[in-house]
Amino acid sequence: GAGVSQSPRYKVAKRGQDVALRCDPISGHVSLFWYQQALGQGPEFLTYFQNEAQLDKSGLPSDRFFAERPEGSVSTLKIQRTQQEDSAVYLCASSLGWSSNQPQHFGDGTRLSIL
Amino acid sequence: SQKIEQNSEALNIQEGKTATLTCNYTNYSPAYLQWYRQDPGRGPVFLLLIRENEKEKRKERLKVTFDTTLKQSLFHITASQPADSATYLCAFLSSDTGNQFYFGTGTSLTVIP
Repeated sequence: GAGVSQSPRYKVAKRGQDVALRCDPISGHVSLFWYQQALGQGPEFLTYFQNEAQLDKSGLPSDRFFAERPEGSVSTLKIQRTQQEDSAVYLCASSLGWSSNQPQHFGDGTRLSIL
Repeated sequence: SQKIEQNSEALNIQEGKTATLTCNYTNYSPAYLQWYRQDPGRGPVFLLLIRENEKEKRKERLKVTFDTTLKQSLFHITASQPADSATYLCAFLSSDTGNQFYFGTGTSLTVIP
């Protein structure tokens, strides 16, 4: 079956522009996570959804970052007034449920470059 | 704060040898620890999960150990192959601080033919 799909794969934006990154999780997966991965580092947690409810957004670095999952499936991560430090790979992952024993299924990420 | 440390240096080994990667954590005792593989330009792929009451878990050529006293997990790849070359990440969920999965920085493994 289809895995987690993210779009676009690459995004270049000028500093100050707004961007929107999309994640299509595996059908039926309740949990959805967003991560930010800098070059040479592991993924860093941004936010977590269980169905349409955003249960944890403590990892979002500033109020310029906003995520939603209005119907409990597709999710969008929006970054307003982008800054150069926002340049990174943004990964989305989904899992059947929230539990530490549930494996996460990742998309291949969106590589965001802010000029 | 939570901290996960993995081999900071890249690991180069000869084909056929056993690769051993370490994952050390502080400030929390996770009930489960997960290992992932990440290839360049791709998202991480789940490999194995081990529970705190399991000392060892095996899957084909992979073996994971979990020592809750040392706060350490070891990840072994036996009879390594060039196709095993990738970055390997350990991760756990910290329920005491919400729903955050913590990932290590990863260890880059290169298997030399």
